Amino acid sequence: GDSVTQMEGPVTLSEEAFLTINCTYTATGYPSLFWYVQYPGEGLQLLLKATKADDKGSNKGFEATYRKETTSFHLEKGSVQVSDSAVYFCALSGGATNKLIFGTGTLLAVQP
Amino acid sequence: NAGVTQTPKFRVLKTGQSMTLLCAQDMNHEYMYWYRQDPGMGLRLIHYSVGEGTTAKGEVPDGYNVSRLKKQNFLLGLESAAPSQTSVYFCASSYSTEKSPLHFGNGTRLTVT
Repeated sequence: GDSVTQMEGPVTLSEEAFLTINCTYTATGYPSLFWYVQYPGEGLQLLLKATKADDKGSNKGFEATYRKETTSFHLEKGSVQVSDSAVYFCALSGGATNKLIFGTGTLLAVQP
Repeated sequence: NAGVTQTPKFRVLKTGQSMTLLCAQDMNHEYMYWYRQDPGMGLRLIHYSVGEGTTAKGEVPDGYNVSRLKKQNFLLGLESAAPSQTSVYFCASSYSTEKSPLHFGNGTRLTVT
């Protein structure tokens, strides 16, 4: 069945460091891919999305490119801030089922 | 501009008690969902609804029931709570599925003792 695998956390970085959170997926058909972010005490919010191969989603300095050849959707940011500290979830939809399937989440902690 | 509102925010139940979690959305979305979030397991879909009067089972439906009598509301019921249902519960809604983003509430933290 469809699944999403993302890197284990926590990821601890200093402010202004480069961020990569890896995400790979298994799915039939042509799924859409998403990154959601969850700040402490809140629900998830959509960060960015890509709906077809080679699309790049971007928002708030974060980017991710839909790579069909490597079945990946890695999240990157060139210079993280303390305010980026949160849990990041990779997700897909539109594969074998029409429901959104989440990875287990990666906690990012950015230190000043 | 409320979005998705969940009540209550926190609840403690004893084993065997029942309760209902309420989710309300003001975006006229057709689709609504209930997820539970547990450490190391991400979000797992409990039940969902594709429109008023419809419900369907998700990945982990056992021990829960739902109702969607009005388009804007989606209720999650626990008839006989168990400690395994201790979790954070999130409601979400979307205009449609697949490419539409989900809008989440802020969650309900439930503890069953």
